[in-house]
Amino acid sequence: GQQLNQSPQSMFIQEGEDVSMNCTSSSIFNTWLWYKQEPGEGPVLLIALYKAGELTSNGRLTAQFGITRKDSFLNISASIPSDVGIYFCAQTDKLIFGTGTRLQVFP
Amino acid sequence: DSGVTQTPKHLITATGQRVTLRCSPRSGDLSVYWYQQSLDQGLQFLIQYYNGEERAKGNILERFSAQQFPDLHSELNLSSLELGDSALYFCASSPTGGTGDTEAFFGQGTRLTVV
Repeated sequence: GQQLNQSPQSMFIQEGEDVSMNCTSSSIFNTWLWYKQEPGEGPVLLIALYKAGELTSNGRLTAQFGITRKDSFLNISASIPSDVGIYFCAQTDKLIFGTGTRLQVFP
Repeated sequence: DSGVTQTPKHLITATGQRVTLRCSPRSGDLSVYWYQQSLDQGLQFLIQYYNGEERAKGNILERFSAQQFPDLHSELNLSSLELGDSALYFCASSPTGGTGDTEAFFGQGTRLTVV
């Protein structure tokens, strides 16, 4: 079946650092979604991307829809402790989720 | 608040039992998705309903079933429960049903513990 692979699996960074993560697939998609999940909570939608090459920002978050339509990238600038959580990419046909990137931020 | 409501928030039950989890989608959303998340694992897609009809099926066990009612709320039924069924179960809803251009919003989840 379809699979979305995220890397890295986990990241341990210092407050203030920038973060980059990506999501790749063997299939072409029309939409990419990025979600954040905090412990014990449901995932919350961060950014939605609808067009190949599109670059979209939401505060300190920036996401890009890869030009091949098989990948997407999420960057977080100047990380803060509340950025801690698991970041998932997802595609909207069946809403399959990626494997997740667990982010830990140390003050 | 996402607008998606799941009940109950917590459920503890014994092996072999049957439980029903409930989800009320956001107002106006026609599609409901169910996911299972075991400890420290990703979100496993179980099943999707759109306007009362099953639209897509993921890795859902035969012991599990779901339905979406005319008022668009959905229920996930888990039977013959095993210890390994202990997990967080999430429901999400979206307006159009995932045909390519949609965003989904999640409830707070139901934490099921099978003892």
